[in-house]
Amino acid sequence: AQTVTQSQPEMSVQEAETVTLSCTYDTSESDYYLFWYKQPPSRQMILVIRQEAYKQQNATENRFSVNFQKAAKSFSLKISDSQLGDAAMYFCAYRSLAGKSTFGDGTTLTVKP
Amino acid sequence: SQTIHQWPATLVQPVGSPLSLECTVEGTSNPNLYWYRQAAGRGLQLLFYSVGIGQISSEVPQNLSASRPQDRQFILSSKKLLLSDSGFYLCAWSLKLNTEAFFGQGTRLTVV
Repeated sequence: AQTVTQSQPEMSVQEAETVTLSCTYDTSESDYYLFWYKQPPSRQMILVIRQEAYKQQNATENRFSVNFQKAAKSFSLKISDSQLGDAAMYFCAYRSLAGKSTFGDGTTLTVKP
Repeated sequence: SQTIHQWPATLVQPVGSPLSLECTVEGTSNPNLYWYRQAAGRGLQLLFYSVGIGQISSEVPQNLSASRPQDRQFILSSKKLLLSDSGFYLCAWSLKLNTEAFFGQGTRLTVV
């Protein structure tokens, strides 16, 4: 069974600074998909970024980028130029080709003005 | 554009009562549908997923069941609720198994 570990329950960053959220996973599959979701206080889950395991190039979406290390089974999220609106709980998720999803327990990000 | 509707937003039910949470998707055909539960301060636990009408995969043995009577309708049910069924339930859909999931607004269920 796949597992996803987010080792940082809480992180904080100063506004306009950069922060990296870590995520590791365990799987025996060679192809899969990885996601980062954001959950603000409204509890609406919002996709932040997505990575296919067969792609070596790291995904980037505006201020959000990932560092995908397949051999190390690591999938960290970097947020550049942090904004107050980035404050939320962030979840790393793994999805197998069969569609089964596994989520980490989340990292609560605080952005300090 | 595609939208997902999940209701009710909040629900308080006594122990032993039945449960029915409904989720519908508009603007797409044959979506993959998911039910998740989120305990306080924790990540999402996949409960059920469906790749087509009548096709339900259960991930966690429990007091709940799911059904997909129509292509874009996904229902989470229980015959008798337990206190441990309390939590935040999220419905989601994806176009393909390898694409991101879009989530509903969630239902906060409190069993008393």
